[in-house]
Amino acid sequence: EVQLVESGGGLVQPGGSLRLSCVASGFTFSTYWMSWVRQAPGKGLEWVATIKQDGSEESYVDSVKGRFTISRDNAKNSLSLQMNSLRGEDTAVYYCASGRRFPNWGQGTLVTVSS
Amino acid sequence: DVVMTQSPLSLPVTLGQPASISCRSSQSLVHSDGNTYLNWFQQRPGQSPRRLIYKVSNRDSGVPDRFSGSGSGTDFTLKISRVEAEDVGVYYCMQGTHWPPLTFGGGTKVEIK
Repeated sequence: EVQLVESGGGLVQPGGSLRLSCVASGFTFSTYWMSWVRQAPGKGLEWVATIKQDGSEESYVDSVKGRFTISRDNAKNSLSLQMNSLRGEDTAVYYCASGRRFPNWGQGTLVTVSS
Repeated sequence: DVVMTQSPLSLPVTLGQPASISCRSSQSLVHSDGNTYLNWFQQRPGQSPRRLIYKVSNRDSGVPDRFSGSGSGTDFTLKISRVEAEDVGVYYCMQGTHWPPLTFGGGTKVEIK
């Protein structure tokens, strides 16, 4: 059974930083692109970032470029999202999702940016 | 960027009746490899999204056959042949052909009348 388990969310002040993690199991992690997708409270889904299997390619939505960094550790089946210079509009549930077509999703972790 | 437009925003349906959701893209979703990367997701209240359909019309494992996807080019449809209570939630289309960015439609809320 495929499992994606996120952690690391919480309350952070504007301008602060947070690092999200996702641990994968039940599939060959190193053979999949991996992504982060977010959902602001009461809003729709927004793609945030994607990383290639070997980490050689990364892509980001324009609103987070230069502030967020996606990375992965294939030896530990883990995906990370380093979020710096956080803003109120980054408040959302952040989901880890497999691939670029998102066949599998985690349960999400809530990030709240507020003073 | 490819803009995905869904309609309607809200869809009240009687149990056992069919439902249909439309998704239109601002440009053709046919990839140079010949595939059309249009997916549909269901998000039940309080749950994570779940993919139902990939590449326009392919059902994911475990998805009931009352769900079907169709369309081509820029116009796509998700149909539920007979709505059940467990189908309540928000449905999203998403394109994966022209990226980055990967883009979602705004969502269609299905509720029971």
